[in-house]
Amino acid sequence: RKEVEQDPGPFNVPEGATVAFNCTYSNSASQSFFWYRQDCRKEPKLLMSVYSSGNEDGRFTAQLNRASQYISLLIRDSKLSDSATYLCVVNRGNQFYFGTGTSLTVIP
Amino acid sequence: GAVVSQHPSWVICKSGTSVKIECRSLDFQATTMFWYRQFPKQSLMLMATSNEGSKATYEQGVEKDKFLINHASLTLSTLTVTSAHPEDSSFYICSASSRIRSSYEQYFGPGTRLTVT
Repeated sequence: RKEVEQDPGPFNVPEGATVAFNCTYSNSASQSFFWYRQDCRKEPKLLMSVYSSGNEDGRFTAQLNRASQYISLLIRDSKLSDSATYLCVVNRGNQFYFGTGTSLTVIP
Repeated sequence: GAVVSQHPSWVICKSGTSVKIECRSLDFQATTMFWYRQFPKQSLMLMATSNEGSKATYEQGVEKDKFLINHASLTLSTLTVTSAHPEDSSFYICSASSRIRSSYEQYFGPGTRLTVT
């Protein structure tokens, strides 16, 4: 079973829409969780860390459910500039495990 | 966030030559550095994990004699693609990890685009 499972999409949504991405992880000993954003032909950039209490950064909200081993990212009021691939990343010790990424295209 | 540099950002080489890519953490000491490869429209693929002063741990299917990794210091790791072939053409990305309080964080270099002709 893969360490991290993520729906690859693609998600095509109109500007202003709310979109949610989900991710599951297989190892309950996983310690830290992150969402990264990767633009075409660029390196991944850290979008936000994910905490059990949930965290919000502007239009972005991340949630972690340790019991279900599930991570989510919610984007409200989508902008054209949100178009990218969103990677779910799980950390255990000094190792990082990546999902395949979910492709988002925001349409005018 | 922390800064990781990678050099060169792109390189074109002839088949059979070797190419060295440098990865540096500029404003922090990285306990671990990772090397990834990404083909167009595909996911990041971890090639190897490298800790300073010890041999790199390679993922299954990655030839350690072809992809030489040297991690000489806490701020520098190098990847040498030896006897490069056209199928080695790819986007190579390094990342550096350090422990922040009780967890690890990972920062990526800007990547090196390798084209082998």
